[in-house]
Amino acid sequence: EAGVAQSPRYKIIEKRQSVAFWCNPISGHATLYWYQQILGQGPKLLIQFQNNGVVDDSQLPKDRFSAERLKGVDSTLKIQPAKLEDSAVYLCASSSLAGTYEQYFGPGTRLTVT
Amino acid sequence: AQSVTQLGSHVSVSEGALVLLRCNYSSSVPPYLFWYVQYPNQGLQLLLKYTSAATLVKGINGFEAEFKKSETSFHLTKPSAHMSDAAEYFCAVKGRRALTFGSGTRLQVQP
Repeated sequence: EAGVAQSPRYKIIEKRQSVAFWCNPISGHATLYWYQQILGQGPKLLIQFQNNGVVDDSQLPKDRFSAERLKGVDSTLKIQPAKLEDSAVYLCASSSLAGTYEQYFGPGTRLTVT
Repeated sequence: AQSVTQLGSHVSVSEGALVLLRCNYSSSVPPYLFWYVQYPNQGLQLLLKYTSAATLVKGINGFEAEFKKSETSFHLTKPSAHMSDAAEYFCAVKGRRALTFGSGTRLQVQP
């Protein structure tokens, strides 16, 4: 089965610019997560969707970050405007409603803000 | 709230030596615990998981972990390190919804 797909893999932007990341989860997985992984740290949850509804966005900086999951499949994470501290790897993961909560991760998008 | 502490941000072992990566957790409910591995420029791959069945959990690539409730630990071990095991390892605990990750341990394997 195909894994979680993400694009682009790398992105370099200047501060105050905007950027968007795309994620396609494993087919049939109802739950989708976006994590931010700053260099030297573990991933931190930004937002969790179940189907096309938001379950948890308590750690999403809503003044600059937004995310959507149209039709309960693909998802887009946007940053506008970007700050230097947003430089990180953005990981998308998905999981099924059944089973034991294991999440499957995509390769990530490495964002550098200059 | 759940939390994870990984002791040692860097661990170096010789090829063929025992690998021991430490993880302690805090959870207000019976935990589900996970170990993930991350190779350079890749996403996280699940090594193994504890879901309240057997306390000794076997995973992929010869890794295993033992859940010890009395010590709130879930240490990862492998009897004999290979060069290909060099990577970053993350312990995680499932919270009410998503996973909470530790800060990671970078494993170096010396020839």
